[in-house]
Amino acid sequence: EIVLTQSPDSQSVTPKEKVTITCRASQNIGISLHWYQQRPDQSPNLLIKFASQSFSGVPSRFSGSGSGTDFTLTINGLEAEDAATYYCHQSSSLPYSFGQGTKLEIK
Amino acid sequence: QEQLVQSGAEVKKPGASVKLSCKASGYTFTSYYLHWVRQAPGQGLEWMGVINPSGGSTTYAQKFQGRVTMTRDTSTSTVYMELTSLRSDDTAVYYCARELQGGGTWLDPWGQGTLVIVSS
Repeated sequence: EIVLTQSPDSQSVTPKEKVTITCRASQNIGISLHWYQQRPDQSPNLLIKFASQSFSGVPSRFSGSGSGTDFTLTINGLEAEDAATYYCHQSSSLPYSFGQGTKLEIK
Repeated sequence: QEQLVQSGAEVKKPGASVKLSCKASGYTFTSYYLHWVRQAPGQGLEWMGVINPSGGSTTYAQKFQGRVTMTRDTSTSTVYMELTSLRSDDTAVYYCARELQGGGTWLDPWGQGTLVIVSS
């Protein structure tokens, strides 16, 4: 089973700031890594697929990078609406798994 | 539009079973897998298993083996997830989410979630 570890667990940030969230896999998963945003009391929404491919309709301030075991989600120019919890997810092999989440609070 | 609509909230007693539904619309039902993911209050996302609506094959997380059954009804484009022997720590929001046939890809869209409360 592949374990995904995100850092940080939470972060308090100001608008327009650049935010970086990392996700480390316990083994090589290639680029089978996806990022989701979950706002309070909502379902998760896909942001980035296959490590770096932006999903349709996602603002350009969201970007992803990485391969193998180390991945990064970057938000350039944080906006108030980005207050949410962010999860990474691996689809390299079953059972699928998620990171523990990174909660972003806007100051 | 392509969407997944889940059944309403449930309240169950410990030891009971619950059967949730997830109705797909706006796309070819048998062309995508459907996964179940749950989220306990204030916690992260936990993968439970997946069903291939085309043939009905399933794969479950080891944690839920023996307690979970996923089925589908192609006539109504609906998948079901039954969880038995409920415990208080099964209290969670349960989501269904779609994945391209063949696997190895992302989950989108997600259903709106179904809250299951297990309490005596």
